[in-house]
Amino acid sequence: AQSVTQPDIHITVSEGASLELRCNYSYGATPYLFWYVQSPGQGLQLLLKYFSGDTLVQGIKGFEAEFKRSQSSFNLRKPSVHWSDAAEYFCAVLNTNAGKSTFGDGTTLTVKP
Amino acid sequence: KAGVTQTPRYLIKTRGQQVTLSCSPISGHRSVSWYQQTPGQGLQFLFEYFSETQRNKGNFPGRFSGRQFSNSRSEMNVSTLELGDSALYLCASSLAPPGQGDGYTFGSGTRLTVV
Repeated sequence: AQSVTQPDIHITVSEGASLELRCNYSYGATPYLFWYVQSPGQGLQLLLKYFSGDTLVQGIKGFEAEFKRSQSSFNLRKPSVHWSDAAEYFCAVLNTNAGKSTFGDGTTLTVKP
Repeated sequence: KAGVTQTPRYLIKTRGQQVTLSCSPISGHRSVSWYQQTPGQGLQFLFEYFSETQRNKGNFPGRFSGRQFSNSRSEMNVSTLELGDSALYLCASSLAPPGQGDGYTFGSGTRLTVV
C-alpha cells in the first residue's frame, strides 16, 4: 500500500527566507505526486504535480518541487516566503490502480514578520 | 469558471440522525471524490465516482454512501450519525478518469458537527 510521510508537523520561517517542506513517499510503481495547500476553513488547492519527465516541477505561487527517486522524496521549495504563504501543506501520492490519493499528515507553515 | 461548490458549508446534527451533503463539480469534470478530514486522522478517502458509477471506495462503514447524477453532481449520505463523524467533508473534482493523475480541484468543504 502507498504511504506519504511529512516529517515536519510545524515549520516557522521568517518572511523573505527560503522554505523547504519535506515529503517522502512509498509506492510500488512510478508515482504520481502532488502538493496541495490549505488555508484555514478552506479546501485544498493544487500547487503542483509530477507525473514524469523533468524532475524539477514548477507550480503556482512561486513554488517548485524536486522528485528524487533514489530518496523516495518530493520536497517542496520556495526561494522567498511571503506572509500569505502561511497555511497547511499536504503532499499526496496517487494510486493509479485504486484511483485514490493518499495524503500526508500535513505541515503547518508559520511565517514570522 | 465556477469552482467546486459544496453545500451546506456548516451543519449541526444530533447523534442517530442522517445527513446528505451535496457537491457540484467544475463544469466538464466527470470524476468526483469525497474525503473526510479530521485532526486525528487527517485526510481519509471515502469514495470516487465517474460517469455515475462508484469506481473506488475507502475503508468506511456502510453508513457512508454516495451517488453521482447524470450532470456529475454528487451527494454523500451518512446515516445513524455518530460523534466521531464530526469532520470537514471535502469534495474534489477532476477532469481525468480515476487513476489518471489529473490532480484534484477541491471545494471548501462541509463542516459537520454531530452533537
